[in-house]
Amino acid sequence: GNSVTQMEGPVTLSEEAFLTINCTYTATGYPSLFWYVQYPGEGLQLLLKATKADDKGSNKGFEATYRKETTSFHLEKGSVQVSDSAVYFCALSAGGTSYGKLTFGQGTILTVHP
Amino acid sequence: EAGVVQSPRYKIIEKKQPVAFWCNPISGHNTLYWYLQNLGQGPELLIRYENEEAVDDSQLPKDRFSAERLKGVDSTLKIQPAELGDSAVYLCASSSGGSYNEQFFGPGTRLTVL
Repeated sequence: GNSVTQMEGPVTLSEEAFLTINCTYTATGYPSLFWYVQYPGEGLQLLLKATKADDKGSNKGFEATYRKETTSFHLEKGSVQVSDSAVYFCALSAGGTSYGKLTFGQGTILTVHP
Repeated sequence: EAGVVQSPRYKIIEKKQPVAFWCNPISGHNTLYWYLQNLGQGPELLIRYENEEAVDDSQLPKDRFSAERLKGVDSTLKIQPAELGDSAVYLCASSSGGSYNEQFFGPGTRLTVL
């Protein structure tokens, strides 16, 4: 079946530090890949997505590249801010019997200190 | 444009009691999802609707859970009777359909079963 594995958290960084959150996946076929973010007290929001190999998704200074050869979709940001503190979820959407269904990783809590 | 609306936001009940959650999707979104999110985990799909038809309910525990989406708009998820292990956040999401299309999430209902 399809699955997503994220790096263990929580991750604690100082403002302006570099961020990497690792994500690897297992899926049949060619899934679409997503990063969702959940700010405190809010619902999940799409942060970025990539729909085919070597695509790079980007938004709000965050980037992730769809790497088919390593089945990875690592999230990066060059300089984090306190406002980036949230829970980050990697997810995939595959075809076939899983069409339309998002499979999520377990989430990574990010805390950024001033 | 209004987002996905869910109510109630919080619910505390005793075990063996029934409970119901309501979701109003984004206007025009034909696809509606119910997800279950346990503490420290990513969301897991319970059921997916295309208009009023449940097209994927393979993960819905049908002995105690039921859902409906009358008229293809609002949806209700019910648990009867609730068990201690049902304590979690129940998320509703909607999309305009398709594997690549963004799913928009509501804020969720946090259920506590005592």
